[in-house]
Amino acid sequence: KAGVTQTPRYLIKTRGQQVTLSCSPISGHRSVSWYQQTPGQGLQFLFEYFSETQRNKGNFPGRFSGRQFSNSRSEMNVSTLELGDSALYLCASSLSGQGPEAFFGQGTRLTVV
Amino acid sequence: GQQVMQIPQYQHVQEGEDFTTYCNSSTTLSNIQWYKQRPGGHPVFLIQLVKSGEVKKQKRLTFQFGEAKKNSSLHITATQTTDVGTYFCAANAGGNKLVFGAGTILRVKS
Repeated sequence: KAGVTQTPRYLIKTRGQQVTLSCSPISGHRSVSWYQQTPGQGLQFLFEYFSETQRNKGNFPGRFSGRQFSNSRSEMNVSTLELGDSALYLCASSLSGQGPEAFFGQGTRLTVV
Repeated sequence: GQQVMQIPQYQHVQEGEDFTTYCNSSTTLSNIQWYKQRPGGHPVFLIQLVKSGEVKKQKRLTFQFGEAKKNSSLHITATQTTDVGTYFCAANAGGNKLVFGAGTILRVKS
């Protein structure tokens, strides 16, 4: 069974630009969560989508948004990029329900210059 | 919001020594999960603990969930160089939202 696939793996953007990251969950998984990982703040929850609906949201500004498609693939968008948005963005998929293990993708390393 | 405190931040051990990392919450947890992230890698699920006082073992790794379901620990016996990485605890905060501890970086000297 294929794992969680995130594209692209690496991205360099300029301040003020916007970026879209993609995540394809494990086949059959309906829940996709996004996390931001930085050396200073660690792993922070961005949002979770389940059956195309945002089910949970973390404490990030509205510049961070996401969506999920009918095939469970998810995208997250960051608009008006800031230097502080440089991070590893991780996507995790789960089968369903509450509390099952999360399977993480390799992540997208975003650098904002 | 829910917070999980994890200590220590770093631990350097000699190969063959034991290692322990601890997680604490001020609130009762429904469950706690543990993940390992190798340098340059992504978090990989190790285990989930659900019951009060639960103890689970995976080879040299022992996971415990406190009686009050407010703390948890991961103990590695006789560390090996393959154990290097960052170990995270994570509490479920509704749906599949995970609140992660800060992680403990384990370095093993051979």
